Amino acid sequence: GAGVSQSPSNKVTEKGKDVELRCDPISGHTALYWYRQRLGQGLEFLIYFQGNSAPDKSGLPSDRFSAERTGESVSTLTIQRTQQEDSAVYLCASSQYNSNEQFFGPGTRLTVL
Amino acid sequence: TQLLEQSPQFLSIQEGENLTVYCNSSSVFSSLQWYRQEPGEGPVLLVTVVTGGEVKKLKRLTFQFGDARKDSSLHITAAQPGDTGLYLCAGAQVGLMEYGNKLVFGAGTILRVKS
Repeated sequence: GAGVSQSPSNKVTEKGKDVELRCDPISGHTALYWYRQRLGQGLEFLIYFQGNSAPDKSGLPSDRFSAERTGESVSTLTIQRTQQEDSAVYLCASSQYNSNEQFFGPGTRLTVL
Repeated sequence: TQLLEQSPQFLSIQEGENLTVYCNSSSVFSSLQWYRQEPGEGPVLLVTVVTGGEVKKLKRLTFQFGDARKDSSLHITAAQPGDTGLYLCAGAQVGLMEYGNKLVFGAGTILRVKS
């Protein structure tokens, strides 16, 4: 596929469980971003990858959140011991190096019961 | 922390009306982007403005970047029901490229165009 893909599209989990969200960026895009979008709100930056290194993790809300990226491809965002306030849509975007244009995936809707 | 204030938060208008959405900040951005997002999908880029005072047109949509690169507006002429969606402005931080083009997003404007 030509676009950014994310899986799963929806995830319902119980409070306290761990979840993994996956992002497949556009081939050749070296930059990858994770954002969180709460209902009716704008996007909140979480973390940025350039290749497989993360020079900017400033948006991760707590140490329960972590992310990794394999080379210049797949990234996984992990949330440990989920809380109800983690419920949101998690969006991934990728871009070419030194480009302002980010291409977004459809997001993963996470619901923590 | 750079913030973008977007207004109005919600707009409900009749087909054929004109509207303007505003995006304001006290910070300078290297560029500013406008996205449109539909339910269940990620934001889709509409336009990027880079130069202070720049005006770009995309069919019935007109985008303007303020002279000081701190604010922007989106004007839609003769709105159509297909324009319905969430409109987001996003500013790219001025800074080192090693931190990427981290975007600061406004809270969004929900536009509903009634036929």
